[in-house]
Amino acid sequence: DVKVTQSSRYLVKRTGEKVFLECVQDMDHENMFWYRQDPGLGLRLIYFSYDVKMKEKGDIPEGYSVSREKKERFSLILESASTNQTSMYLCASSPRTVADTQYFGPGTRLTVL
Amino acid sequence: QKEVEQNSGPLSVPEGAIASLNCTYSDRVSQSFFWYRQYSGKSPELIMSIYSNGDKEDGRFTAQLNKASQYVSLLIRDSQPSDSATYLCAVPMDSNYQLIWGAGTKLIIKP
Repeated sequence: DVKVTQSSRYLVKRTGEKVFLECVQDMDHENMFWYRQDPGLGLRLIYFSYDVKMKEKGDIPEGYSVSREKKERFSLILESASTNQTSMYLCASSPRTVADTQYFGPGTRLTVL
Repeated sequence: QKEVEQNSGPLSVPEGAIASLNCTYSDRVSQSFFWYRQYSGKSPELIMSIYSNGDKEDGRFTAQLNKASQYVSLLIRDSQPSDSATYLCAVPMDSNYQLIWGAGTKLIIKP
């Protein structure tokens, strides 16, 4: 079974803190994705990566950065957390092309106070 | 701007009936289509993918694709309370790396 894990299920941070969310997949997938999900807004793509050290902006990259130093690990960084970044963050991976399904991690519910 | 649209619901269906979920998309060249299920507080999981016009059946689930009309639907036969969830439709972009997601339809199966 494909397994995508995320470093925390719940996280509470203060405004201005630097926040790291980590995602690890164990199936040697090429592509990895970070989404946020908010009620009524659906899934919105923040960043994705199609190879080690490669990254592309998604629809809402502002206030975020990413790092992919190893194939299995994709990190999302909130440089200076703000209250409007309170959300559910979902990591996903897919094998080679988008014709393959995306597999999701359990999600991290981040609250910024 | 490529779009995927779904009725947000909630769609309420009696137990044992057929639930019908619809999704329309704007990109005429899309070749593959995905239905995901998301339980409250959980992450999305794939339940069906479809690539060709027509119907694809998997147990109680049937995906129907009509490329000419640009819609894909999901039918759930003999609906169970455990089918209560939000169903997300996803369609790939040209770049081959991204999916465009619908906002999801919340389905409630009433015992």
